[in-house]
Amino acid sequence: NAGVTQTPKFQVLKTGQSMTLQCAQDMNHEYMSWYRQDPGMGLRLIHYSVGAGITDQGEVPNGYNVSRSTTEDFPLRLLSAAPSQTSVYFCASSVDSNYGYTFGSGTRLTVV
Amino acid sequence: QQPVQSPQAVILREGEDAVINCSSSKALYSVHWYRQKHGEAPVFLMILLKGGEQKGHEKISASFNEKKQQSSLYLTASQLSYSGTYFCGTSESNYQLIWGAGTKLIIKP
Repeated sequence: NAGVTQTPKFQVLKTGQSMTLQCAQDMNHEYMSWYRQDPGMGLRLIHYSVGAGITDQGEVPNGYNVSRSTTEDFPLRLLSAAPSQTSVYFCASSVDSNYGYTFGSGTRLTVV
Repeated sequence: QQPVQSPQAVILREGEDAVINCSSSKALYSVHWYRQKHGEAPVFLMILLKGGEQKGHEKISASFNEKKQQSSLYLTASQLSYSGTYFCGTSESNYQLIWGAGTKLIIKP
């Protein structure tokens, strides 16, 4: 039982480049979300999905896109990387709002 | 609006007790508690729902005061493994959790 799998674990991008952070879960969870965590701060919600085909914006959605074509996968796309997007990105999933979240191990992204 | 956690940091000796508080200015539906160790992902501890009961297991428990929109996490007879940063996440009515800035807990032998 893998839980929530994120890839890659580390990534360095140049300003202006685009990339996709992958997130997959094998628990049949309807809810999935993407967070970023900056030093000394809590988690900030980027985008979330309550089921396949349904996505919505969180607190800090600018510069990021998501889609949810299957229950298992919820990729996060950086359209044109900026140094301000240097952060640790976590994907999380849950059965629904009455249950806790399972987090992936994170992707440490550096934009130079 | 981000919930306020207090204290920001606490240092304990092994076996001592700790209380971490989380307060919001908004009416809450749920409060989540997580622990994160350095370089790792947050790990779910417990969730408290509006109208629900106080929860806990073994030496970690939590309460939710709906009138004051406050939650407290209680760690009893702390162990070295309890070290880490504790985050509360609050939800008003949907899936959008807003997270506190965290409370760093250091346990010394």
